Amino acid sequence: SYVLTQSPPVSVAPGQTARISCGGNDIGSKSVHWHQQKPGQAPVLVVYDDSDRPSGIPERFSGSNSGNTATLTISRVEAGDEADYYCQVWDSISDHVVFGGGTKLTVL
Amino acid sequence: QLQLVQSGAEVKKPGASVRVSCTTSGFVFSSYYLHWVRQAPGQGLEWMGLINPSGGSTTYAENFQGRVTMTWDTSTSTLHMELRSLRSDDTAVYYCARAPDSGYELDYWGQGTLVTVSS
Repeated sequence: SYVLTQSPPVSVAPGQTARISCGGNDIGSKSVHWHQQKPGQAPVLVVYDDSDRPSGIPERFSGSNSGNTATLTISRVEAGDEADYYCQVWDSISDHVVFGGGTKLTVL
Repeated sequence: QLQLVQSGAEVKKPGASVRVSCTTSGFVFSSYYLHWVRQAPGQGLEWMGLINPSGGSTTYAENFQGRVTMTWDTSTSTLHMELRSLRSDDTAVYYCARAPDSGYELDYWGQGTLVTVSS
């Protein structure tokens, strides 16, 4: 089955840039989606199809995907961005949704 | 407006079954697949499976094959998930979510339902 491996926890100061990676075999050939989950809340989609943003998501959230790594970039980090972030793909071989293990972003 | 409203928390004994519901509104279900995802305490997201409301076809993750059934009630626009033979490690928050049939991003989630399995 397809496996997604996310980067370790990240800590950044407000106003800085956070980057969270998601690795998978030839992930660049798949569409990668990113979800933000704050404590005690349901996940929220923040980036879909590698780099598109749903309505209402700030432009500070962006994504890229190439080769074996997809990256979520959060610019000008704010305290409210502190959350767990999960990457997600559709594995067309198994017809399954696959999630990465999650990365915790801490805002210092 | 768009809503996925889930049923309330459940406490079950090992070996029992649980049924979690997700009532939808505000979108055309025929353009979406509906998914179930769970999250054990302190853990990540685990995909359980999906149902195509247009026809009722299902796909389940291997971890749940034989123990889970997902159904769609068109008359009430409600998604149901039944999990049988509960174990303590089934204790988790269970989420429903929708994804467009043209892609597979889970673009809107229910609020979650806590299922506790304890003797």
